[in-house]
Amino acid sequence: DAGITQSPRYKITETGRQVTLMCHQTWSHSYMFWYRQDLGHGLRLIYYSAAADITDKGEVPDGYVVSRSKTENFPLTLESATRSQTSVYFCASSDQLVAYEQYFGPGTRLTVT
Amino acid sequence: AQSVAQPEDQVNVAEGNPLTVKCTYSVSGNPYLFWYVQYPNRGLQFLLKYITGDNLVKGSYGFEAEFNKSQTSFHLKKPSALVSDSALYFCAVLQSSGNTGKLIFGQGTTLQVKP
Repeated sequence: DAGITQSPRYKITETGRQVTLMCHQTWSHSYMFWYRQDLGHGLRLIYYSAAADITDKGEVPDGYVVSRSKTENFPLTLESATRSQTSVYFCASSDQLVAYEQYFGPGTRLTVT
Repeated sequence: AQSVAQPEDQVNVAEGNPLTVKCTYSVSGNPYLFWYVQYPNRGLQFLLKYITGDNLVKGSYGFEAEFNKSQTSFHLKKPSALVSDSALYFCAVLQSSGNTGKLIFGQGTTLQVKP
């Protein structure tokens, strides 16, 4: 009954390195989302996915890449990490798009040095 | 564009007193509104939602929210605060566009309940 999990929970990386954050959900939810949380900005949507092989940009997609080859997984890749990408990243999933709540993972705290 | 605003960065209340965390919204069409809570070092948890129907919505942990269309507000309330209610609270609106939708979050309000 894991629900939605993220890994790693904490990550320190250097500027310019590629890093991938993993998200896995066990509910077979159609929709999955990636957010970043920064002080003063609340949560901002990076990318979302309506189903396997269907992804779309959110509010702040630059510098990020996503894929969704399987319904249960939605990895987020920072192709060349920058200090401005230091943040807490949350993955979420939703059974239906309209009128249903999103379920959030525990978050990944990423520090780019 | 759809948006929500939480005008208070922090709300302080004494345990046992009623609490209110404010949220106002700006949407075109009918709003779908949500409240989430985030405890330290945790992900967000859903508290309650307004879709349609009664303006007073009841949710988890004794929280409720009042939808007020004329004031475009969706304030979160609880009759008697607990120290364990201390957390970060987010108001959100569901932005629907065609067959896609996104949650637009407010910046969050820290609730501090003191014994």
